[in-house]
Amino acid sequence: DSGVTQTPKHLITATGQRVTLRCSPRSGDLSVYWYQQSLDQGLQFLIQYYNGEERAKGNILERFSAQQFPDLHSELNLSSLELGDSALYFCASGRDTEAFFGQGTRLTVV
Amino acid sequence: AQRVTQPEKLLSVFKGAPVELKCNYSYSGSPELFWYVQYSRQRLQLLLRHISRESIKGFTADLNKGETSFHLKKPFAQEEDSAMYYCALRGSADKLIFGTGTRLQVFP
Repeated sequence: DSGVTQTPKHLITATGQRVTLRCSPRSGDLSVYWYQQSLDQGLQFLIQYYNGEERAKGNILERFSAQQFPDLHSELNLSSLELGDSALYFCASGRDTEAFFGQGTRLTVV
Repeated sequence: AQRVTQPEKLLSVFKGAPVELKCNYSYSGSPELFWYVQYSRQRLQLLLRHISRESIKGFTADLNKGETSFHLKKPFAQEEDSAMYYCALRGSADKLIFGTGTRLQVFP
């Protein structure tokens, strides 16, 4: 167990809908990273937060947004969902050099 | 720009054979490089990092700045090494970028 918790584990929703994925980092970790993993794209970096502030942005669509709250948990909001957004979404937290991953949320858009 | 390239999607070897998983990176500064592993139905976990120069589960990786590579090697593959392997680079602003991964299959 890495100490990083992601909820829900599975999510099935229809196109056009909006969902929120939640991540609780390891105790004491200030950084939270979000990644999208799909079969043909590998692990795509979406966004990183550090102590509540956005630190780095990757290939995150405008329909997607994220935030990190004062208690350091983070949420990834995905809106106007499309079939192609179906993927495994990972959250990782870290301090110093190592990142610890959650089990991921599998999103299926139908 | 930061980029990590893993040219092989799949690498299949027999047990006891040597393994080399290739990783090349693009980064203008001094990178920190990592290898992460994802066993079936498990979360990604750190395998090793270049700054510690350690050997984990028989795997080693050497940073070659001239060739901008960080290949993962193991002299004798085991069946339990079968997994997805991701090379990762930490560069500017702590952005942690991953390659597309290589699936290693070790046959008995």
